[in-house]
Amino acid sequence: GAVVSQHPSWVICKSGTSVKIECRSLDFQATTMFWYRQFPKQSLMLMATSNEGSKATYEQGVEKDKFLINHASLTLSTLTVTSAHPEDSSFYICSARVGSLDGYTFGSGTRLTVV
Amino acid sequence: GENVEQHPSTLSVQEGDSAVIKCTYSDSASNYFPWYKQELGKGPQLIIDIRSNVGEKKDQRIAVTLNKTAKHFSLHITETQPEDSAVYFCAARLGYQKVTFGTGTKLQVIP
Repeated sequence: GAVVSQHPSWVICKSGTSVKIECRSLDFQATTMFWYRQFPKQSLMLMATSNEGSKATYEQGVEKDKFLINHASLTLSTLTVTSAHPEDSSFYICSARVGSLDGYTFGSGTRLTVV
Repeated sequence: GENVEQHPSTLSVQEGDSAVIKCTYSDSASNYFPWYKQELGKGPQLIIDIRSNVGEKKDQRIAVTLNKTAKHFSLHITETQPEDSAVYFCAARLGYQKVTFGTGTKLQVIP
């Protein structure tokens, strides 16, 4: 089946540094990828929709300068958390729609801790 | 935009019993309703889905029902097993791209 590989699975960084999270579609081409943020015991909140070769579409309230999204190829989308602060600590998850199918495949998530 | 409500937030059942999780959505134009299972520290996994032109779908012990008129959809798990313990999310898709998630249900199956 379709697999989305997300790395790293966890990362700890110092406040003020930047962190990049990668999502790769392994056996299919993902024209569109979605980036979610999930706080403990809460639901997934859509941050942005990433489209290959164009600018990402951010949800209301999400700082585009802080959460930089790049979707340079049909198999790779990256989320960079710039100048990270402790309040950015969260579980970040990407997903992609597989071709014309309805289903969305999710990555395994990245636990970001900013200290 | 779409708003999805999910109940209950926690659910404990004895092994072998059935579990039912219910969701409502706000926008009648939503056309696709997936259910996801999320284990601790992992990404969600699709377990079953249903499109708006179908009223019910079943896959072994899992079934989903959809009432478009009432804008309700439900997940039914029969003969629950301890490995069914996880957080379950319903979702609704408005249009062709964006998916809105419910608030999640933590299911505990007691052996």
